[in-house]
Amino acid sequence: GAVVSQHPSWVICKSGTSVKIECRSLDFQATTMFWYRQFPKQSLMLMATSNEGSKATYEQGVEKDKFLINHASLTLSTLTVTSAHPEDSSFYICSASRAGVRTGELFFGEGSRLTVL
Amino acid sequence: AQTVTQSQPEMSVQEAETVTLSCTYDTSESDYYLFWYKQPPSRQMILVIRQEAYKQQNATENRFSVNFQKAAKSFSLKISDSQLGDAAMYFCAYRRVYSGGGADGLTFGKGTHLIIQP
Repeated sequence: GAVVSQHPSWVICKSGTSVKIECRSLDFQATTMFWYRQFPKQSLMLMATSNEGSKATYEQGVEKDKFLINHASLTLSTLTVTSAHPEDSSFYICSASRAGVRTGELFFGEGSRLTVL
Repeated sequence: AQTVTQSQPEMSVQEAETVTLSCTYDTSESDYYLFWYKQPPSRQMILVIRQEAYKQQNATENRFSVNFQKAAKSFSLKISDSQLGDAAMYFCAYRRVYSGGGADGLTFGKGTHLIIQP
């Protein structure tokens, strides 16, 4: 099956610091990856679409300067939360679609829990 | 913009019984996918079932089946012979497909918390 790995799965940081979360497709190439945010007991909200080799597309209301997304290769996308504040504490999940295959299915990482003190 | 509505915040069912989770969506597009995802306490998203909008036949995966009513924009999930391991949050999701082969990210409903009574 298609495996997506996220790292770290859990991170605590101090307010004002930056945190990087990695999303890797382990056994397939992913031209497009998506980043979601999930608050406790809520649904997943799409933050941005990451395309390999081009700038990410952000959803309305998502600060592109705070949530930096880089998709430098067909197997890796990174989300950097810059100058993190307690309100950025959340569960961040990435997903990837397999290049060249039209099934519509997205494969999800395990998620990363960010706590900002 | 597309919206997905799950009107049941929580459902409870006895083990071995059948339960149906509701989902409606709003779109003006003709080509899209619909999904049901399961999210257990581990928070790993697990695909339960997928339906392509152009297919009239309802998708089935073992104990899981859907009732896809395209004109009514309804996409309910039926779980037969419920098991304790089915307990989780269930999210209905929509994904628009473009003619060039690309597709949007998923739009999720708010979720239904499914409780299985032993």
